[in-house]
Amino acid sequence: KAGVTQTPRYLIKTRGQQVTLSCSPISGHRSVSWYQQTPGQGLQFLFEYFSETQRNKGNFPGRFSGRQFSNSRSEMNVSTLELGDSALYLCASSLDRGSMREQYFGPGTRLTVT
Amino acid sequence: GQNIDQPTEMTATEGAIVQINCTYQTSGFNGLFWYQQHAGEAPTFLSYNVLDGLEEKGRFSSFLSRSKGYSYLLLKELQMKDSASYLCAVASGGSYIPTFGRGTSLIVHP
Repeated sequence: KAGVTQTPRYLIKTRGQQVTLSCSPISGHRSVSWYQQTPGQGLQFLFEYFSETQRNKGNFPGRFSGRQFSNSRSEMNVSTLELGDSALYLCASSLDRGSMREQYFGPGTRLTVT
Repeated sequence: GQNIDQPTEMTATEGAIVQINCTYQTSGFNGLFWYQQHAGEAPTFLSYNVLDGLEEKGRFSSFLSRSKGYSYLLLKELQMKDSASYLCAVASGGSYIPTFGRGTSLIVHP
């Protein structure tokens, strides 16, 4: 069974631009969560999607948004990029909500904002 | 909010035993997770504790004391490949979404 895939793996953007990251969960998994990882703040929860609906949201500004499609694939968007948005963005999928024990992470997208 | 503390870095010798501690302050505890993350890779799930006591899984064990807000991850028979960051995460407040600590970087040397 294929794992969680994320595209692109690496991205360089300029301040003020916007970016869209993509995540394809493990086949059959319906819950997708997004995290931001930085050396200073560690791993922080962004949001969770299940059945095309945002179910939980972390403490991030409105510039961070996401969506989920009917095939469970998810995208997250960051508008008006800031230097501090440089981070590793991780997507994780699980079979259902509340399945944190069976949560699988993708390889991440490394975003650099210059 | 939550406060999760774990040491920044630890070193140990191949073949030895190491214990990585994690303390937390939270309300409405829903479980504690440990993840392993090798440099440049995604975190992988190691363990989940929701009740007090020790959970053993091969060379890795995880302990939880809810009354003390304390957990540890015990790694036995250390191997070089165990060099990685170990993340402690707590789910609480009616949510199963984990809040992560900063991680403990474990260096295993020969």
